[in-house]
Amino acid sequence: GENVEQHPSTLSVQEGDSAVIKCTYSDSASNYFPWYKQELGKRPQLIIDIRSNVGEKKDQRIAVTLNKTAKHFSLHITETQPEDSAVYFCAPRRGNRDDKIIFGKGTRLHILP
Amino acid sequence: SAVISQKPSRDICQRGTSLTIQCQVDSQVTMMFWYRQQPGQSLTLIATANQGSEATYESGFVIDKFPISRPNLTFSTLTVSNMSPEDSSIYLCSVVSGYTGELFFGEGSRLTVL
Repeated sequence: GENVEQHPSTLSVQEGDSAVIKCTYSDSASNYFPWYKQELGKRPQLIIDIRSNVGEKKDQRIAVTLNKTAKHFSLHITETQPEDSAVYFCAPRRGNRDDKIIFGKGTRLHILP
Repeated sequence: SAVISQKPSRDICQRGTSLTIQCQVDSQVTMMFWYRQQPGQSLTLIATANQGSEATYESGFVIDKFPISRPNLTFSTLTVSNMSPEDSSIYLCSVVSGYTGELFFGEGSRLTVL
């Protein structure tokens, strides 16, 4: 089965600086690479995803980059703001929508004032 | 998108009792996934519920402890049986969008076992 590792487990950055979280996976057949954000007391929600036919995707202050050869993808948040404080999870998987989905252990991001 | 109604949102239960969590989806889906999230931890997949067949359980989870029903394509229940304090956790149901692959979650059920 898929082995997913996420680093770092905790990250503190000054407001306005950038944050990068990395996800490494083992299943070479994975072709869908999402990042979920979970704010305190709330359910996880998708913030950005990428498919294996592209190397980078950007949506305003957040971006995801993919290196399929090395089997890792990263979440980039620029110009961080207090509302970016949350736990972020990666959940790479194969494209079949019925495949089970395994989450990384999460990264707790703290934005310091 | 998919809208999932999950209940109860929270409950406090006595040791040895059982509690059933319900999830209703606003569209028909093939698979529903049940996760557990212990305090400060990631989401751990308990089982995958497929309509018309037995649920598929992950390592460490068994049907006797977490029986699942999936009577139709929009509804599922998870029962936490013979509860102990170690079962105190948040339980979430989820479905995958057939169009985007995005995973949608219910609001979660926060169980506290005394």
